[in-house]
Amino acid sequence: DQQVKQNSPSLSVQEGRISILNCDYTNSMFDYFLWYKKYPAEGPTFLISISSIKDKNEDGRFTVFLNKSAKHLSLHIVPSQPGDSAVYFCAARDTGGYQKVTFGTGTKLQVIP
Amino acid sequence: GAGVSQSPSNKVTEKGKDVELRCDPISGHTALYWYRQSLGQGLEFLIYFQGNSAPDKSGLPSDRFSAERTGGSVSTLTIQRTQQEDSAVYLCASSLVAGSPKNTEAFFGQGTRLTVV
Repeated sequence: DQQVKQNSPSLSVQEGRISILNCDYTNSMFDYFLWYKKYPAEGPTFLISISSIKDKNEDGRFTVFLNKSAKHLSLHIVPSQPGDSAVYFCAARDTGGYQKVTFGTGTKLQVIP
Repeated sequence: GAGVSQSPSNKVTEKGKDVELRCDPISGHTALYWYRQSLGQGLEFLIYFQGNSAPDKSGLPSDRFSAERTGGSVSTLTIQRTQQEDSAVYLCASSLVAGSPKNTEAFFGQGTRLTVV
């Protein structure tokens, strides 16, 4: 039962263009969402987050959008840079129970110079 | 320590042997997660600890896998009678689970690359 889904395993974007990474979730008890970035041979690192009471959070070139009615969030990177090439994981926290964080399976982004 | 520490960083073992992977979380973090990433695959959840208890073990792939956490700190993941399909990078993460949602942010270790030959 995959509660956090990243349906695109990979994405290629030209340098300077916008990268849009998508994430869908099924659990209505999720109240906080996070994006992580992972380079090869390293552990994932936190990138940006958004509370369920908001619909947008921006940090420099990175913006996360949340559509609660659609149970969908997206990460926008603009302009994309070659150094952004990595695997991006979407994650969500369950406000019920033990507040566990569930991760998606990741999307590999390649930014082409 | 300053971050999540995992040991060993690399482990090569023969099929059928047992292995133990260690995770030292950030001091004071009550939540601890184990994940694994097989070659070309996504992040696969294994087990979640809150303190010393494991309220969610649903990701452990078989009874050959077990994990424990002592003193609310160090955790060990044990794989018995390893198989070739166990080869993967095993990642540990920890987070505060109290107060504001910001405490949810999980910090990952560098991972242990396990190769079963």
